[in-house]
Amino acid sequence: DTEVTQTPKHLVMGMTNKKSLKCEQHMGHRAMYWYKQKAKKPPELMFVYSYEKLSINESVPSRFSPECPNSSLLNLHLHALQPEDSALYLCASSRWDRNNEQFFGPGTRLTVL
Amino acid sequence: KQEVTQIPAALSVPEGENLVLNCSFTDSAIYNLQWFRQDPGKGLTSLLLIQSSQREQTSGRLNASLDKSSGRSTLYIAASQPGDSATYLCAVELTQGGSEKLVFGKGMKLTVNP
Repeated sequence: DTEVTQTPKHLVMGMTNKKSLKCEQHMGHRAMYWYKQKAKKPPELMFVYSYEKLSINESVPSRFSPECPNSSLLNLHLHALQPEDSALYLCASSRWDRNNEQFFGPGTRLTVL
Repeated sequence: KQEVTQIPAALSVPEGENLVLNCSFTDSAIYNLQWFRQDPGKGLTSLLLIQSSQREQTSGRLNASLDKSSGRSTLYIAASQPGDSATYLCAVELTQGGSEKLVFGKGMKLTVNP
């Protein structure tokens, strides 16, 4: 299995909703990442988990809450989002060694109304 | 602060041409450099990773080179095909607070016309 899966593919939520994004990989990778990508822009790093511990938080607002229950699974909990948070949310994973090639999932297209 | 630049922002070529995509970065203290392609509305597909100790990597019709001292990388695409049409992004990996992260260029949109 050489892929990163993300669910759901699309999500529409109101500003008062609570929802979660899920990411899974079965490549034995020890690092997982969340990125946010707006239209016609490059991905922006949000969080990095290495060995199930949060190692980078790029000053992301607290309405985004990451969780790494185990080395294969990464969640992003969403609460009280704003319309400007609408974007493509990408998950990635890597081995976390000298060859730290990142592999990306297909993304979740989030729309906040 | 590391900045990654890709010029031009867009390129349109006829099928069959050999292409060179450029990427430059301001700080040579990088860990690795990775090239990706992205199709509209999709995730990123990793094309090649060059470790900082390497000079180039090849995969099929793709060849990527790295010159750390001058802060440059090039992605060479041989005999371009319409299926190569996509946005190509380069990203440098650097260390932050004992962890590693990617810094992306803004990408180059490639259109290969049949």
